[in-house]
Formats: sequence, structure tokens, C-alpha cells
Amino acid sequence: KAGVTQTPRYLIKTRGQQVTLSCSPISGHRSVSWYQQTPGQGLQFLFEYFSETQRNKGNFPGRFSGRQFSNSRSEMNVSTLELGDSALYLCASSLEALGTDTQYFGPGTRLTVL
Amino acid sequence: TQLLEQSPQFLSIQEGENLTVYCNSSSVFSSLQWYRQEPGEGPVLLVTVVTGGEVKKLKRLTFQFGDARKDSSLHITAAQPGDTGLYLCAGRGETSGSRLTFGEGTQLTVNP
Repeated sequence: KAGVTQTPRYLIKTRGQQVTLSCSPISGHRSVSWYQQTPGQGLQFLFEYFSETQRNKGNFPGRFSGRQFSNSRSEMNVSTLELGDSALYLCASSLEALGTDTQYFGPGTRLTVL
Repeated sequence: TQLLEQSPQFLSIQEGENLTVYCNSSSVFSSLQWYRQEPGEGPVLLVTVVTGGEVKKLKRLTFQFGDARKDSSLHITAAQPGDTGLYLCAGRGETSGSRLTFGEGTQLTVNP
């Protein structure tokens, strides 16, 4: 069974631009969560989607948004990029949106904002 | 807001030594996971502990969940260079669904 895939793996943007990152969960998984990882802040929760609905949201500004499609694939969008948005963005999928489900992480998208 | 304090942040040891990584919080977690992350990759789950006082062993790794479900530890016996990596603890709150709160991570280097 294929793991979580994320595209692109690397991305370079400039301040003010916007970016869209994609995540394909493990086949059959319906919950997708997004995390931002930076050296200073570690891994921080962005949001979680289940059955095309946002179920949970972290403390990030409205420039960060996401969506989930009927096939459970998810995208996240960051508008008006800032230097501080440079980070590794990780997607994780789980079978259901239950507290006991194991989350499986993708390899991440490394975003660099210049 | 639930916080997880992980220590130490950096650990450099010689092959064959033992080590312990700690993860502490003032909050109660319904479960706690330990992950290991290699450079350029996403975290890989090592273990999930759910019951207070639970101890799980994975070869040379021993994981413990505190009785009050507020803290956890990871003990590695006879560390090997292949154990090198970033170790992360992550807690799931009782009402947070799939949301994980991560510790800052422990960068472990095992020198041959």
C-alpha cells in the first residue's frame, strides 16, 4: 500500500506570492491533517479535514487555508507569503478522525520564501 | 493550550551507551506517540501509549507513559549509530480529535 505522498517536495517562492501544496493520503484514509515544522517552533498543527470538512484548526492566520476533495486528497494554500512561512509542511493521514487512529506522515514539502 | 516539554534538546553519545529522553506536560493526554524523523523525511511512528503506567518495549527501546498520563519517557539501551535521528513525542488531547501536540524534539547523535 502506497504511503502518504506530497507534491511538490521542494518549492521556492518570493514574498507576497501564494502557494498551493498537495497531499494524497493512504488509500482508504479519510482524515488529513497538516502541520508546519520550523527549527524554532517545531511541529505545529495547522488544520484537519475529514470528509471534505474542516474538523479542527490551529492558531495560524487566515492566510493559511485548506480543503479536501471527495477522494480525500487535500490541498493547503498560503497567500501573501512572508519570510517566516519558510518551513517543512507535513501532511498526515489516518483512517478516521478518531482519537485512537494512527497518523501516517508524508515526506513533506520544503517551502523557502525569499 | 496543551504544551509538551521535551528534554534534552540535543544528545550526543558514544555507541553502546544508554540514554533517556523525557516528555512532560501539565495537561492530561488520552494517548502519547513517539516518532523518529530522518532529515528530509516525515516523522515515522515508533509507538503509541494509551494507559497510565503503560510500558512498551520495541527491541532496545523502552517507552513509558506516566501514571497520570501527563508525561512519558523513551529509554534506549546500547545505542547504535543507526539510532541517530530526531525523536519527537506527540500527545493527543482528550477532546482534540486527530490533532497532535508535539514536543520540541530531541536530536540524537550516536557516534561509532
